[in-house]
Amino acid sequence: DQQVKQNSPSLSVQEGRISILNCDYTNSMFDYFLWYKKYPAEGPTFLISISSIKDKNEDGRFTVFLNKSAKHLSLHIVPSQPGDSAVYFCAATSGTYKYIFGTGTRLKVLA
Amino acid sequence: DTGVSQNPRHKITKRGQNVTFRCDPISEHNRLYWYRQTLGQGPEFLTYFQNEAQLEKSRLLSDRFSAERPKGSFSTLEIQRTEQGDSAMYLCASSYDRGPYNEQFFGPGTRLTVL
Repeated sequence: DQQVKQNSPSLSVQEGRISILNCDYTNSMFDYFLWYKKYPAEGPTFLISISSIKDKNEDGRFTVFLNKSAKHLSLHIVPSQPGDSAVYFCAATSGTYKYIFGTGTRLKVLA
Repeated sequence: DTGVSQNPRHKITKRGQNVTFRCDPISEHNRLYWYRQTLGQGPEFLTYFQNEAQLEKSRLLSDRFSAERPKGSFSTLEIQRTEQGDSAMYLCASSYDRGPYNEQFFGPGTRLTVL
């Protein structure tokens, strides 16, 4: 039972353009969502989060959008940089301290 | 502060052997979590501590797995009688005590290979 889904295993974007990573969830009890970035041989690094009372949160080049009715969130990176190349995981929680992660999307930013 | 550290970074063992991993969280964090990540999957929750108390365990944590956090600081995860299916990356994370809505900081992980 995959409660958090990232249906695109990979994405390639030109440097300077926008990267859009998508995530869908099935559990309507989720009320906090996070994006993590993972480089090879490192643990996931927190990027940005959003509470279910908001529909947008922005931090520098990173913006997360939440559409509760569609049970969908997306991460926008603009402009994309080669250093953004990594695997991106979305995660969700319903306040139990247990994060449910998606399977990840590998982003490649081409110089 | 050097972040969350995990040792060893890699462990190769033979089936049936016992292994133990250690996690040192960020010093001011009183919550500690263990996750497991297999190839092509995201991290899967295993267990969670608040100080020294183990408050939640996943069904993934079979009887062969035991985790401790004896003094509310570092934690150990032991796997007894390892099986090939235990091969995975074991990730530790920690967080502040500010309710569930705060980010967990992850260590680099311990990669276990069971031959």
